[in-house]
Amino acid sequence: EDKVVQSPLSLVVHEGDTVTLNCSYEVTNFRSLLWYKQEKKAPTFLFMLTSSGIEKKSGRLSSILDKKELSSILNITATQTGDSAIYLCAVGGSSNTGKLIFGQGTTLQVKP
Amino acid sequence: DTEVTQTPKHLVMGMTNKKSLKCEQHMGHRAMYWYKQKAKKPPELMFVYSYEKLSINESVPSRFSPECPNSSLLNLHLHALQPEDSALYLCASSQDIQLTVKNIQYFGAGTRLSVL
Repeated sequence: EDKVVQSPLSLVVHEGDTVTLNCSYEVTNFRSLLWYKQEKKAPTFLFMLTSSGIEKKSGRLSSILDKKELSSILNITATQTGDSAIYLCAVGGSSNTGKLIFGQGTTLQVKP
Repeated sequence: DTEVTQTPKHLVMGMTNKKSLKCEQHMGHRAMYWYKQKAKKPPELMFVYSYEKLSINESVPSRFSPECPNSSLLNLHLHALQPEDSALYLCASSQDIQLTVKNIQYFGAGTRLSVL
């Protein structure tokens, strides 16, 4: 059965800290891994990683895909209170159905 | 513009009511999705429409009935729901169902549903 596991499940840090969120997966014929940020309601897209694009960066956020270890990390440097959210990892597999398998999410709280 | 619009934002209904959730996108996307999200849980896929045809039904009870009248619009008709169906219902869309670099699923803000 396809599975995506995130760790830690929750994290509390102070502004300015650097955090690393983890996502590991067991998915048949992996195609892509996506990171989303969910604050109040809608998950908003952060990054997509594939075999041809294993590292992405945008401002203070960066993500790396390790296809050998079947995992990805999301790094946030110089955290701000606005980074407080649930970070979701989702993986797409072989069937080309558009189906994404989501991890449980990591709840990040950044204190002033 | 990557906007997916869902209405209503909140909905309270009784177990005998019939109601509908609406989702709209104007990005020219040909795949649309319904997800259900319970508190502190990840989104769970319910239905996928590809080119206005139902392509995935994740064994969802028949009290949930999806409809895709055209490529921009997706509805979810609700009838005889149970209190355990209370959740956030998210709609998403993407160019199509291929899982490629350019094919991101964009989510709407959701409808918070309470069944009394």
